[in-house]
Amino acid sequence: NAGVTQTPKFRVLKTGQSMTLLCAQDMNHEYMYWYRQDPGMGLRLIHYSVGEGTTAKGEVPDGYNVSRLKKQNFLLGLESAAPSQTSVYFCASSSGRNYLMNTEAFFGQGTRLTVV
Amino acid sequence: EDQVTQSPEALRLQEGESSSLNCSYTVSGLRGLFWYRQDPGKGPEFLFTLYSAGEEKEKERLKATLTKKESFLHITAPKPEDSATYLCAVTGGTSYGKLTFGQGTILTVHP
Repeated sequence: NAGVTQTPKFRVLKTGQSMTLLCAQDMNHEYMYWYRQDPGMGLRLIHYSVGEGTTAKGEVPDGYNVSRLKKQNFLLGLESAAPSQTSVYFCASSSGRNYLMNTEAFFGQGTRLTVV
Repeated sequence: EDQVTQSPEALRLQEGESSSLNCSYTVSGLRGLFWYRQDPGKGPEFLFTLYSAGEEKEKERLKATLTKKESFLHITAPKPEDSATYLCAVTGGTSYGKLTFGQGTILTVHP
């Protein structure tokens, strides 16, 4: 049972380059999330999705775009990478259960991105 | 806007020395409070979900409790393998599905 899988695990980009991070889940979850984690700043929400075809902005959305064309996949794009986007990126998913009681989220192992 | 504040930022304990971690939250219509454990270089691992004030959950040496304004993670007789970063997160009613984390508490247990 794979759970949440992130691709790639490591990447080095030059300033101005673009890339896409892929998150795939095999648990038929409705909700998916992208976070970045920086030292001393915890997990900060970039974008999230509450279902196929939907996306919403989190706390730090600038410089990122997302798409959820298929329920099992959530893509995070960087159109023009900047050194400030050097971070560890985590994807997560949850079943959502219902509007009144959200269920726990399961996380991938992270993507370590360095922009030089 | 949902807010989560964890304290202390770091906690150093001797093996067997019990203590508590705090998670204070501000959310409109709590839909769930979650505790996670994160080891270096890994993704967060789910520990507990709490939904309403007065609720408690236990797992081995860990016990999570919830009031209307805060949650505590009590660690009884910790062992060195309990060393990790502990994260608290909430979902609320105003932002459907949005999961907001605190900054975490780094716990170190010395033998």
